[in-house]
Amino acid sequence: DSGVTQTPKHLITATGQRVTLRCSPRSGDLSVYWYQQSLDQGLQFLIQYYNGEERAKGNILERFSAQQFPDLHSELNLSSLELGDSALYFCASSVGGGTYEQFFGPGTRLTVL
Amino acid sequence: DQQVKQNSPSLSVQEGRISILNCDYTNSMFDYFLWYKKYPAEGPTFLISISSIKDKNEDGRFTVFLNKSAKHLSLHIVPSQPGDSAVYFCAASAHRSSNTGKLIFGQGTTLQVKP
Repeated sequence: DSGVTQTPKHLITATGQRVTLRCSPRSGDLSVYWYQQSLDQGLQFLIQYYNGEERAKGNILERFSAQQFPDLHSELNLSSLELGDSALYFCASSVGGGTYEQFFGPGTRLTVL
Repeated sequence: DQQVKQNSPSLSVQEGRISILNCDYTNSMFDYFLWYKKYPAEGPTFLISISSIKDKNEDGRFTVFLNKSAKHLSLHIVPSQPGDSAVYFCAASAHRSSNTGKLIFGQGTTLQVKP
């Protein structure tokens, strides 16, 4: 158990819909990261938040947005969903804002029908 | 543009022997490298890391070697155990230039250790 929690574990929805994925980092960690893993793909970095502020952005679609709240939990919002958005979404956390070992949650499997 | 590549999708070794997983990178700004292990239906688990100022880091049965001139790193597992069977991801970060924790991952190598 990494100490990072993600909800929900599974999500099935239809094209055009909007969903919210939630992540709680390990106690004491200030950074939260979101990664996407599509079928047969490696993990693709989406975005990093550090202590409530956006720190780094990857190839995150404009239809996707994220935020980190004062209690340090984070939410990833995916809107106008397309079939290609079906993937595993992982959240990770680390102590600082730079390069530290990241601890991953169990992931949310999103299926868009 | 795949900056981190794991060219072997799979590897099979006998229990007790050495497993060697390889990773190549193209971005010379990468200065920190990590290996993660992933079991099905779980998130990746951190295994071992190495800074670009070193060429070797060892932790128990796991050793990572870094060859900066070749832009190549490898993970050695000795001796291999059936419980090591998992997908292994190599990841890289350009910490000094970006001051972020952004990791670039390879595609992964599936290791199977046969009893």
